[in-house]
Amino acid sequence: QSALTQPASVYGSPGQSITISCTGTSSDVGGYNYVSWYQQHPGKAPKLMIYDVSNRPSGVSNRFSGSKSGNTASLTISGLQAEDEADYYCSSYTSSSPYVFGTGTKVTVL
Amino acid sequence: EVQLVESGGGLIQPGGSQRLSCAASGFTVSSNYMTWVRQAPGKGLEWVSVIYSGGSIDYADSVKGRFTISRDNSKNTLYLQMNSLRAEDTAVYYCARRFCSSGSCYDAFDIWGQGTMVTVSS
Repeated sequence: QSALTQPASVYGSPGQSITISCTGTSSDVGGYNYVSWYQQHPGKAPKLMIYDVSNRPSGVSNRFSGSKSGNTASLTISGLQAEDEADYYCSSYTSSSPYVFGTGTKVTVL
Repeated sequence: EVQLVESGGGLIQPGGSQRLSCAASGFTVSSNYMTWVRQAPGKGLEWVSVIYSGGSIDYADSVKGRFTISRDNSKNTLYLQMNSLRAEDTAVYYCARRFCSSGSCYDAFDIWGQGTMVTVSS
């Protein structure tokens, strides 16, 4: 099972919105609405931000939103803040693995 | 407080074995899906293994036949037995719990341990 494809880095200024893509196949992202997103600060464990494509766990800011179209899922961070600077990973249920993570995206707040 | 604490990492020679532990508090391991995820230095997350509440198990192809996931219900602890270790197994190993909310469970993981570092080198 190959890792889902994410851009290596995304940049944004405070207050702006950014979008991170996560591209898979019909056997994972495109085949199931079981895409989740994780935020990871350096030296820390991942934190669940989005589950089932677009749902936020309790306590996660509504500045984070998720969506999916075909084999590509997306995470949007609106009103970008300094504390959002971190690595972000998507994950999907798959027909074979059963889970696969994305390659990861480093978000830099300029 | 709901918490996971991993232990057992260290420096292991290639071909060697090591057992990682993940002690849970605040919830029952056997009632949840539990997973191991690893992260090589400077790299991304890689799913390793899962044990379902019913006891079924899955592994990533990269560790199949070498790693064994298990749990001890009396100790409320998850384990990962790693055999025939290779340099490419060097990573921080995290255990995590499946996310459940309002009576439903999802294919996502919300409670993570702090990680334990495994270094395979001679």
